Amino acid sequence: DTGVSQDPRHKITKRGQNVTFRCDPISEHNRLYWYRQTLGQGPEFLTYFQNEAQLEKSRLLSDRFSAERPKGSFSTLEIQRTEQGDSAMYLCASSLAKRGLYEQYFGPGTRLTVT
Amino acid sequence: DQQVKQNSPSLSVQEGRISILNCDYTNSMFDYFLWYKKYPAEGPTFLISISSIKDKNEDGRFTVFLNKSAKHLSLHIVPSQPGDSAVYFCAAPIAGKLIFGQGTTLQVKP
Repeated sequence: DTGVSQDPRHKITKRGQNVTFRCDPISEHNRLYWYRQTLGQGPEFLTYFQNEAQLEKSRLLSDRFSAERPKGSFSTLEIQRTEQGDSAMYLCASSLAKRGLYEQYFGPGTRLTVT
Repeated sequence: DQQVKQNSPSLSVQEGRISILNCDYTNSMFDYFLWYKKYPAEGPTFLISISSIKDKNEDGRFTVFLNKSAKHLSLHIVPSQPGDSAVYFCAAPIAGKLIFGQGTTLQVKP
């Protein structure tokens, strides 16, 4: 049983550079979520997809952030012109959209450090 | 606007004793709650949940209690084990996404 995977696990980049993260959800899950977690805080919602459609984006997701889920399978999160404030753990989760099912299953995260 | 709050950043208990982690919420629309556990360098893993139609849900050593009138829930771990040492988050789903508390770091001492 393959869980949610994320790549890379760690990314160090210089301010101003672009970075892209990948998430592979659990295969039968049709919903995919991106969260960001900073030190001492819980995960904060960024965006989510149902199949290939992006259904909601948080106001935390500035114009420099873009997420895609082509063909409703894996997803990518791109950050353009990174800033030091973007340093965080980026978590991906997936779930099955079904009435009464609320559990989301998380990947190990990608830790981004912007220097 | 912190809709889910965990006011205790840390908790330390002795192995074998009870651990009680608390969570408060402000949004009356929340009708389901989840607890997640997170080890360092790993993503959160689902632990236990409760629907607002119940006031208690038990799974092995883990029990979650919900007090709707007080907008409060708690997670009880009995007996606590050193392997339970982790960060615990409570969360509530709304509009498809999860709203998390800030987390409580539990340390269980042998």
